[in-house]
Amino acid sequence: KAGVTQTPRYLIKTRGQQVTLSCSPISGHRSVSWYQQTPGQGLQFLFEYFSETQRNKGNFPGRFSGRQFSNSRSEMNVSTLELGDSALYLCASSLYPLGEGRKSPLHFGNGTRLTVT
Amino acid sequence: ELKVEQNPLFLSMQEGKNYTIYCNYSTTSDRLYWYRQDPGKSLESLFVLLSNGAVKQEGRLMASLDTKARLSTLHITAAVHDLSATYFCAVDSRGDYKLSFGAGTTVTVRA
Repeated sequence: KAGVTQTPRYLIKTRGQQVTLSCSPISGHRSVSWYQQTPGQGLQFLFEYFSETQRNKGNFPGRFSGRQFSNSRSEMNVSTLELGDSALYLCASSLYPLGEGRKSPLHFGNGTRLTVT
Repeated sequence: ELKVEQNPLFLSMQEGKNYTIYCNYSTTSDRLYWYRQDPGKSLESLFVLLSNGAVKQEGRLMASLDTKARLSTLHITAAVHDLSATYFCAVDSRGDYKLSFGAGTTVTVRA
């Protein structure tokens, strides 16, 4: 079974630009959640999508947005990039959505490392 | 808001000895996860703990969950070099609809 696929693996962008990251979940998984990992803030929840609906969003500005398609693939977009957006962005897929108490591991992709200069 | 605290943040282990990593969380949990991350890599799922008293073991790692104390432990038996990594616990709470991570414990195993 193919794992979670994130593209691209690496990105270098300039301040003020925008970026779109992609995540293809494990086949059959309808929950996709996104996380930002930085040395200073650790792993922080960005948002989760389940059946094309955003169920929750973390404490991030509106520049961070996402969507999910009918095939469960998800994209996240960051507009007007800032230096502080440099991070490893991870997505995870799961059979069941977060917060519903059903036992199901989250499978993480390899991440997209974004560098903003 | 759900808070997850891990300790210690850094752990230098001697090969062959036993150690424990602690994960405390602030509200009722539905699922508690343990992940391993090697430098520059993604997160590898180790355990999913669902109910009070749950205990899972895989090789030299054993995780347990006490929902009344809001505490999970990751016990490492007879540490070996291959266990050097950063270990994260994460909590998924009913109605919270997000996954909250601890700060991670960086483990270094020395001979």
